[in-house]
Amino acid sequence: NAGVTQTPKFQVLKTGQSMTLQCAQDMNHNSMYWYRQDPGMGLRLIYYSASEGTTDKGEVPNGYNVSRLNKREFSLRLESAAPSQTSVYFCASSGQLAGELFFGEGSRLTVL
Amino acid sequence: DQQVKQNSPSLSVQEGRISILNCDYTNSMFDYFLWYKKYPAEGPTFLISISSIKDKNEDGRFTVFLNKSAKHLSLHIVPSQPGDSAVYFCAARTHNNNDMRFGAGTRLTVKP
Repeated sequence: NAGVTQTPKFQVLKTGQSMTLQCAQDMNHNSMYWYRQDPGMGLRLIYYSASEGTTDKGEVPNGYNVSRLNKREFSLRLESAAPSQTSVYFCASSGQLAGELFFGEGSRLTVL
Repeated sequence: DQQVKQNSPSLSVQEGRISILNCDYTNSMFDYFLWYKKYPAEGPTFLISISSIKDKNEDGRFTVFLNKSAKHLSLHIVPSQPGDSAVYFCAARTHNNNDMRFGAGTRLTVKP
């Protein structure tokens, strides 16, 4: 079972460039999430999608957009990357009642 | 505004001894608490959880204790093993909200 798959695993961008992080889950989960992890800050929620067709802002949404393409896929887009967006990004999914999140392996993004 | 706090960035224990990881929270609306374990270059994985209606939950070597009046929870690992060496994140959520908040993490090192 693949679980939660994120691509790409590594990316280097220049300031002002755009890119999209892709995420797919094969567990038939309703909810999907994008987090970023920074040293000393833990995991901070960027956006989440409680179900197909809905998206909501999390703790740190500025500079990001998301698309819940279908039940399986949830993408994160940086329209104009900034050095402050250098981070490790994690996609996660959860079943409606379980509460626990299942995470992908992470995508390390560096913005120069 | 960090609603979930792990004040110890690191902890080192001897193999076979008890590891105690602590977590404090400020939001009294949180009613579900989780611990995640993270190895380098991997996504966090769910370890154990506890609902606010309980004060203890046990799963093998792992026990989570919840003290609602103190807004404090702890994870006990007995006996600790070298394979437990990882970063442990505490997380919390409300029952009607998909926004799960994480602490900054505690790096546990178990020495042989």
